[in-house]
Amino acid sequence: GDSVTQMEGPVTLSEEAFLTINCTYTATGYPSLFWYVQYPGEGLQLLLKATKADDKGSNKGFEATYRKETTSFHLEKGSVQVSDSAVYFCALYNNNDMRFGAGTRLTVKP
Amino acid sequence: IAGITQAPTSQILAAGRRMTLRCTQDMRHNAMYWYRQDLGLGLRLIHYSNTAGTTGKGEVPDGYSVSRANTDDFPLTLASAVPSQTSVYFCASSEGRGTEAFFGQGTRLTVV
Repeated sequence: GDSVTQMEGPVTLSEEAFLTINCTYTATGYPSLFWYVQYPGEGLQLLLKATKADDKGSNKGFEATYRKETTSFHLEKGSVQVSDSAVYFCALYNNNDMRFGAGTRLTVKP
Repeated sequence: IAGITQAPTSQILAAGRRMTLRCTQDMRHNAMYWYRQDLGLGLRLIHYSNTAGTTGKGEVPDGYSVSRANTDDFPLTLASAVPSQTSVYFCASSEGRGTEAFFGQGTRLTVV
């Protein structure tokens, strides 16, 4: 079946550092890809999405590009802030099914 | 704007007891979902409903049941709770399958 694999955390960065969280997927056909963010004590919120190959999703300074050739959807941000501390989930939707990765906890220190 | 409301926010439950987790949305979304979140496993789909009156099984449905009598409500029932059902439960909704999902705040359930 379809699956999503994320880099294991936790990830700890200093403020203004560059962030990459790797995400790869296994799926038949052409899934839609998502990044969700979960702040402490809250539910998940959609951060960005891409629905076809080579699409780039972006929001709040975060970006991810749908790479079908490498089956990847890595999340990047050029300069993280303390307020970006959260758990980030990569997800895919395909064939009427949505699958989430295990989540990557990011802590940004001032 | 309330969005998705879950109740209770947390619960300690004795094994063998029956429990219903409540979920209500005010966005008139067609699709609703129940997930459980466990450390290291991410979110796993328990049950879903594409529209009022229909339900379907997700990845981990055993021990849980749902109903969708109307658009707004999607309760999740544990008929006889077991310790392995200790988890954080999230209800979500979306306009349709595969579109942006909106999540509730979660219910932390501990079965002892």
